[in-house]
Amino acid sequence: GAGVSQSPSNKVTEKGKDVELRCDPISGHTALYWYRQSLGQGLEFLIYFQGNSAPDKSGLPSDRFSAERTGGSVSTLTIQRTQQEDSAVYLCASSSPPETGYEQYFGPGTRLTVT
Amino acid sequence: GQQLNQSPQSMFIQEGEDVSMNCTSSSIFNTWLWYKQDPGEGPVLLIALYKAGELTSNGRLTAQFGITRKDSFLNISASIPSDVGIYFCAGYFGNEKLTFGTGTRLTIIP
Repeated sequence: GAGVSQSPSNKVTEKGKDVELRCDPISGHTALYWYRQSLGQGLEFLIYFQGNSAPDKSGLPSDRFSAERTGGSVSTLTIQRTQQEDSAVYLCASSSPPETGYEQYFGPGTRLTVT
Repeated sequence: GQQLNQSPQSMFIQEGEDVSMNCTSSSIFNTWLWYKQDPGEGPVLLIALYKAGELTSNGRLTAQFGITRKDSFLNISASIPSDVGIYFCAGYFGNEKLTFGTGTRLTIIP
């Protein structure tokens, strides 16, 4: 079946502009995660959605970052007033605990460049 | 918070060599996952481990969940060019969020 998809694949924006990144999880997966990966670095957790529960926002680096998940499926990560340090690859993953354990399946990412 | 120490940070090997990398933690983990990331792609799940002592293979890849539940290793036998990439360990210790290691970059020298 279809995997996790993300759009756009690349986004170049000017400092100070807002951006929206989209994630379509695997159909039926109840959990959705956003991560940030800076060049040559590991994955930094941003936010986690599980079913209808309140999201775990503990990884969001500032109040310029927000995310929502509509209808328990598609998620949008919004970055307001972008800064150059926001440049990174933003990865989305989904999983379906407990049926499949906690195995997370990743999308291809959105490469964000803030000029 | 929980941290995963992954080593080595990078490896330079010749095609056909075997590879070994590992992750250690100061905390007990319930699940260990190993991922591979190619340039410009998201991480791809290679192996999942759920029980202490568990040894699981996926083709030329073998991974083990350490008996103390604080470590895991990944071995790749007879490396081939497509093995090039960054390998990440990741683990759960019970709060439904994965903790990732810092990655091992594998390069094959021609």
